[in-house]
Amino acid sequence: AQSVTQPDIHITVSEGASLELRCNYSYGATPYLFWYVQSPGQGLQLLLKYFSGDTLVQGIKGFEAEFKRSQSSFNLRKPSVHWSDAAEYFCAVVMYNNNDMRFGAGTRLTVKP
Amino acid sequence: GAGVSQSPSNKVTEKGKDVELRCDPISGHTALYWYRQSLGQGLEFLIYFQGNSAPDKSGLPSDRFSAERTGGSVSTLTIQRTQQEDSAVYLCASSWTGYGYTFGSGTRLTVV
Repeated sequence: AQSVTQPDIHITVSEGASLELRCNYSYGATPYLFWYVQSPGQGLQLLLKYFSGDTLVQGIKGFEAEFKRSQSSFNLRKPSVHWSDAAEYFCAVVMYNNNDMRFGAGTRLTVKP
Repeated sequence: GAGVSQSPSNKVTEKGKDVELRCDPISGHTALYWYRQSLGQGLEFLIYFQGNSAPDKSGLPSDRFSAERTGGSVSTLTIQRTQQEDSAVYLCASSWTGYGYTFGSGTRLTVV
C-alpha cells in the first residue's frame, strides 16, 4: 500500500545543534515530495518541495532536504536549530497527475535551551 | 484573497447538531482539499476537488460528512449529527497546479 512514514514521533534537540527529520515513502514511482511545518495553533506552512532535478533542495528558514531514490527517503535537515523551530513537521507526497497529497503522521520537535 | 481563509476559526457544538465549515481558497486555485487533524495525530485526507471534475470523496469517514464546492471557489464541509469523535481541527488547502498547497489556519471543532 502507498504510504508516507515519519519514524520519529518526537525529537528533542538542543538549540544550536543539527537536526535531521526522517521521511520514507512507499510508492510505485517517485512522487513529488514536500515538507510542511505547523507551529502551535497555526496552519501548515510549506518549507520546501522536490519535483525533479537536483536531489538536494533548499527551503525557507534555513532548512534543506535530500531526496534519495535508493532509500525512498526525503529527510529534512537543518545545521543549527533555533528555539523558534519548535513545531510539528509533516512530510507529504503526491503522485504525478494524481493530485492526492498524503501526509506522514508528523514529527514533533522540541528545542532545549 | 491573499491566502486560504477558513471560518469559523473555532466552533463548539452539541452532540447531534449539524455544523458547516467554510473554506475560501486563493483566487484562481483549481484544487481544493479538506483534511482533518485530530489531537496528537497527523493529517487525515477527507475530500479533494479539482476544477469541475467529480470530487474524490474517498477519505470521508462516514456518510455524515459531505462537502461541496460552489462555482469552483468556496467550499463547505458539512458534518451532520456530530459526534464527540468528530472533534478535531479541519484544515482546508488550495493549489493552482495541484502541487505545493497553501493551507488555511483551520477550524477547531469541539463537540460537547
